[in-house]
Amino acid sequence: ETGVTQSPTHLIKTRGQQVTLRCSSQSGHNTVSWYQQALGQGPQFIFQYYREEENGRGNFPPRFSGLQFPNYSSELNVNALELDDSALYLCASSFGGQATYEQYFGPGTRLTVT
Amino acid sequence: AQSVSQHNHHVILSEAASLELGCNYSYGGTVNLFWYVQYPGQHLQLLLKYFSGDPLVKGIKGFEAEFIKSKFSFNLRKPSVQWSDTAEYFCAVRRGGSYIPTFGRGTSLIVHP
Repeated sequence: ETGVTQSPTHLIKTRGQQVTLRCSSQSGHNTVSWYQQALGQGPQFIFQYYREEENGRGNFPPRFSGLQFPNYSSELNVNALELDDSALYLCASSFGGQATYEQYFGPGTRLTVT
Repeated sequence: AQSVSQHNHHVILSEAASLELGCNYSYGGTVNLFWYVQYPGQHLQLLLKYFSGDPLVKGIKGFEAEFIKSKFSFNLRKPSVQWSDTAEYFCAVRRGGSYIPTFGRGTSLIVHP
């Protein structure tokens, strides 16, 4: 059984650019959630995808968007990057779109915006 | 808006000392409660969770947490810590039926051998 993987590990972008982060869910999982973790803070929920549809969203602007593919892997896209977008981006997968699931987290992608 | 408070941002203990990390939340309805741990260089992982039933929940590695509804609290405890418990600990709360968890800002625990 493979765990949750994320790529890339680190990324440096310039303000105004666009970025795509990728996540492969754990084998057998069909739900992916994305979180932003700023330095010294807890993870903040961005959105969740279940069977290729977004079914929950936190307080993030529309320039944060995502996709889930038929194999349940997922992408997080951020447009018009701002300095405050610098953070660790975590992906978590689970089975089932219900709220009683247990999530398994990946190692994260460290994004730096200069 | 729902909030989660972890009172201690940094805790330093010696091995065999007892541990209690505080977690309070602001939502008054049905909640699901979690404690996560992140060991140095590792992924965030679930320590324990509470959905319903016995308010005293046992987790992995000897950790437990008690849900006290009247105090809106879900404190994490361990009677005797080990050096290997050095990690970042996060409390998270989710409204019953919601997909959206709210995390506290975390407590950094350092255990000296």
